[in-house]
Amino acid sequence: AQKVTQAQTEISVVEKEDVTLDCVYETRDTTYYLFWYKQPPSGELVFLIRRNSFDEQNEISGRYSWNFQKSTSSFNFTITASQVVDSAVYFCALTDSNYQLIWGAGTKLIIKP
Amino acid sequence: DVKVTQSSRYLVKRTGEKVFLECVQDMDHENMFWYRQDPGLGLRLIYFSYDVKMKEKGDIPEGYSVSREKKERFSLILESASTNQTSMYLCASSLFMRVGHNEQFFGPGTRLTVL
Repeated sequence: AQKVTQAQTEISVVEKEDVTLDCVYETRDTTYYLFWYKQPPSGELVFLIRRNSFDEQNEISGRYSWNFQKSTSSFNFTITASQVVDSAVYFCALTDSNYQLIWGAGTKLIIKP
Repeated sequence: DVKVTQSSRYLVKRTGEKVFLECVQDMDHENMFWYRQDPGLGLRLIYFSYDVKMKEKGDIPEGYSVSREKKERFSLILESASTNQTSMYLCASSLFMRVGHNEQFFGPGTRLTVL
């Protein structure tokens, strides 16, 4: 069965520190997609990135970077030089064989000034 | 930009009331979804729809029904609200169903409290 595990329930760091959010997934499919979403205190989930299973290149977007490793079934998310505005709950998700999203439980990230 | 709107940000209802949660998207997306979000449980899919008048059960459909009479609108109905349906309800839409790379776009959520 497909599953997404975000073992870190909550992380707290001081502003400007780097922080990595872990995501480990399980699937038997050879073709699948992985996603990260951000949910700020306002509540609306914001799409951050999509990655397909055939593309293991790391992705960088400003202070955000993603490390996809099929060998360890992980899709980790790093924020460099964190800012208070990065405080949010971050969700990792995986498409299942019916193309529905399987969600991790989320990691609450607290950035202290 | 895709815009998904939900009829209310906050709603307070009494046990036994019939509750309607409305969701509208403006990007001609085929698929629409209703989730509920509870602390420690993440997002759980209640129902989804991949076309007008079509609906599919998600993981937790009990106690809910849905209606999709128009492509842009997807309603979630609690026929007889109960206290265990107090939750954050999130609506989402995506372009096509049978494509794995469909990212979903979310509305702001409705925080429903059932007293």
